[in-house]
Amino acid sequence: GAVVSQHPSRVICKSGTSVKIECRSLDFQATTMFWYRQFPKQSLMLMATSNEGSKATYEQGVEKDKFLINHASLTLSTLTVTSAHPEDSSFYICSARDPPTGAIQETQYFGPGTRLLVL
Amino acid sequence: GESVGLHLPTLSVQEGDNSIINCAYSNSASDYFIWYKQESGKGPQFIIDIRSNMDKRQGQRVTVLLNKTVKHLSLQIAATQPGDSAVYFCAEIYSNSGYALNFGKGTSLLVTP
Repeated sequence: GAVVSQHPSRVICKSGTSVKIECRSLDFQATTMFWYRQFPKQSLMLMATSNEGSKATYEQGVEKDKFLINHASLTLSTLTVTSAHPEDSSFYICSARDPPTGAIQETQYFGPGTRLLVL
Repeated sequence: GESVGLHLPTLSVQEGDNSIINCAYSNSASDYFIWYKQESGKGPQFIIDIRSNMDKRQGQRVTVLLNKTVKHLSLQIAATQPGDSAVYFCAEIYSNSGYALNFGKGTSLLVTP
């Protein structure tokens, strides 16, 4: 099956620094990738939709200048948390949509997540 | 706004029993639903999906039921095993964001021996 990886799996940084999280589709090309944030014991909340070669679409309330998303290739999307603060500490999860190859159009595959802790 | 929600935040079942996890959705235009399983510290894992033109779909030990009249979705797990312990989310397609998923709040399933 389709595999999505994230790197790093966990990161600890100081307040005010920037952190980059990578999301890769390993065995398929993903025209669309999604970034979600999940706080402890809560559900996944969509942050933004990333389409290869175009600007990301951010959900209401998500600061695009703080959460920079780049989808430069069909297998890689990056999320950069700029000037991170303790309230940005969360579990960040990406997913990639696999164009249909017999599977349904809506199929998405999730990465393992990145745990960010900002001190 | 419209959202997908779950009736039970926690569910404890005995090993071997059947589990039923419920989900209510409010967007009558939703036409695709997915159940995910999430273990601690990991990303969601696809379990089963169903389209709105179906009432029931079966997988291996799992069955999803859709009642469009009352906008209700359920996940049935047969012969629940300790490895089934996890948080289960239902999700609907968020068409405004191009196939992004709108997740429900989640139900924590605990299987006791």
